[in-house]
Amino acid sequence: GAVVSQHPSRVICKSGTSVKIECRSLDFQATTMFWYRQFPKKSLMLMATSNEGSKATYEQGVEKDKFLINHASLTLSTLTVTSAHPEDSSFYICSARDPAGGAIQETQYFGPGTRLLVL
Amino acid sequence: EDQVTQSPEALRLQEGESSSLNCSYTVSGLRGLFWYRQDPGKGPEFLFTLYSAGEEKEKERLKATLTKKESFLHITAPKPEDSATYLCAVRTPGGYQKVTFGTGTKLQVIP
Repeated sequence: GAVVSQHPSRVICKSGTSVKIECRSLDFQATTMFWYRQFPKKSLMLMATSNEGSKATYEQGVEKDKFLINHASLTLSTLTVTSAHPEDSSFYICSARDPAGGAIQETQYFGPGTRLLVL
Repeated sequence: EDQVTQSPEALRLQEGESSSLNCSYTVSGLRGLFWYRQDPGKGPEFLFTLYSAGEEKEKERLKATLTKKESFLHITAPKPEDSATYLCAVRTPGGYQKVTFGTGTKLQVIP
């Protein structure tokens, strides 16, 4: 199946700093990428949908100025957590939609996740 | 509002003891039901996509089936390495092909 990578896998930062997380599709071009947040023992919560060349679409309750998303190319999307605080500590996972097979036959492939700890 | 409910929340099986996980959904126009496996501290790993009622897919000890209201993930003669959280997700019509996830079933297979 398609491969999606994330970097870094783990990051610890001080409160008030900004952290950038990269998501790359390695063997396919992804016009759409998704960013999720997962709390311990909970399912994935969609934060935003990232479309190449246009502004991201944020889910209700997600601060767009807090979580900056840039989808500059067909293989790279970045999530920047600005002025991070301890409550932003979480597991962030990206996914990319492989458009092979047409509009319906699509599957999201997930990256390995990034564990963010804000002190 | 689209809803996805998985049951049970947790399941403990002896090695070789077959069972099924359930995913019930209420959506306005299903455009695909997905099963993923997630190991602790890792991203979800894609298993299956199902599109229409009656469809079945198999991979090793796993078999996924779909009806108009639910999907089952059957595990035949599980092994300890099958221990993981299994997530179900549905995709409905929309401009950005949004996917809604269930809360998962945590499976533990005991040797």
